[in-house]
Amino acid sequence: GAGVSQSPRYKVAKRGQDVALRCDPISGHVSLFWYQQALGQGPEFLTYFQNEAQLDKSGLPSDRFFAERPEGSVSTLKIQRTQQEDSAVYLCASSPFLNTEAFFGQGTRLTVV
Amino acid sequence: KNEVEQSPQNLTAQEGEFITINCSYSVGISALHWLQQHPGGGIVSLFMLSSGKKKHGRLIATINIQEKHSSLHITASHPRDSAVYICAGKAAGNKLTFGGGTRVLVKP
Repeated sequence: GAGVSQSPRYKVAKRGQDVALRCDPISGHVSLFWYQQALGQGPEFLTYFQNEAQLDKSGLPSDRFFAERPEGSVSTLKIQRTQQEDSAVYLCASSPFLNTEAFFGQGTRLTVV
Repeated sequence: KNEVEQSPQNLTAQEGEFITINCSYSVGISALHWLQQHPGGGIVSLFMLSSGKKKHGRLIATINIQEKHSSLHITASHPRDSAVYICAGKAAGNKLTFGGGTRVLVKP
């Protein structure tokens, strides 16, 4: 596809469930970012990959959050034992190189009930 | 304290009016992104700039590095411009720090 693709677009999870959110970046993009956007707020950084290497995971809010990008393309953000405060839109962005424009996906809206 | 501050938080304009959104940022931010987010939609990158001025259609973005300030202008605003506009600063490590967003409503 031409842009960053995220799936699913919407996810409803019961509290305590594990969820996996997928990001397909633009082909060939080296950098991949995950952001969390709570309702009515700006996005907050979660983690950053350069190819398959996770260079910065300082924004992950707890050890229930885990991200991977094993082959340097598709990335998965996993949240274990979801809690209500995890409800947010999870945005993925990719860019071809460092210090270049970032392209965002449509986001996955996670609702934990 | 957020490293990127935006103002105003909300803005209502009549169709055709000139709109300005302001963004101030702290030391360590090397480039500014202006982004647009429609309700229920993803984020679209409008501009990335580290100096000077960029123009695309009716949108103009400027940055003053000495004052650590950037502005996004919308000329001849239209109801379809209604969205949340977000400035985001690129700091060390390449991650973006986002402002709180400006919710723009353009009335016909």
